[in-house]
Amino acid sequence: DAGVIQSPRHEVTEMGQEVTLRCKPISGHNSLFWYRQTMMRGLELLIYFNNNVPIDDSGMPEDRFSAKMPNASFSTLKIQPSEPRDSAVYFCASSLALGQPQHFGDGTRLSIL
Amino acid sequence: SQQGEEDPQALSIQEGENATMNCSYKTSINNLQWYRQNSGRGLVHLILIRSNEREKHSGRLRVTLDTSKKSSSLLITASRAADTASYFCATETGANNLFFGTGTRLTVIP
Repeated sequence: DAGVIQSPRHEVTEMGQEVTLRCKPISGHNSLFWYRQTMMRGLELLIYFNNNVPIDDSGMPEDRFSAKMPNASFSTLKIQPSEPRDSAVYFCASSLALGQPQHFGDGTRLSIL
Repeated sequence: SQQGEEDPQALSIQEGENATMNCSYKTSINNLQWYRQNSGRGLVHLILIRSNEREKHSGRLRVTLDTSKKSSSLLITASRAADTASYFCATETGANNLFFGTGTRLTVIP
């Protein structure tokens, strides 16, 4: 069975550039989550969707961050413009329903120079 | 702020020994979940225990929950080198998302 698929796996770009991270959740899962993981701050929830609708985006650090879920099988997290402090591993996760076990992708390791 | 706090932050044991990790949290929960993360990979769900349960087993894993103390423990018996990973607890408080702790880094020495 295909798990959560994230792309790209690695991204290195210069500050000021737009970065788009992509996620394909597990088919049939109704909830999708975006997290950021760093050594300093651990795993932080950025935003989550239920049935393609954003429920809580209070974890999005700044207006430079935006996320969309145009359909049940695709979501994007965009950073524009990117800054060096955005460097982290970004994870996407999906679950059958809110509160249920989450299935994580292998993340996108983002480095902003 | 993060809900869960794991203890210890790091644990190193010999293969075959048991490993115990603890998690404390701050508010009432609906359920508590444990996850494992191998280096360079995403988190993998291990086990879920509901607030009305006190103990749960899955293979070599044993999880306990004490809601009066707002704490949980994960016991891995007869550890293997492949168990080397970071382990996280996550609480579901009714807000419909999970609050993850800071993790315990387990190293199992062959």
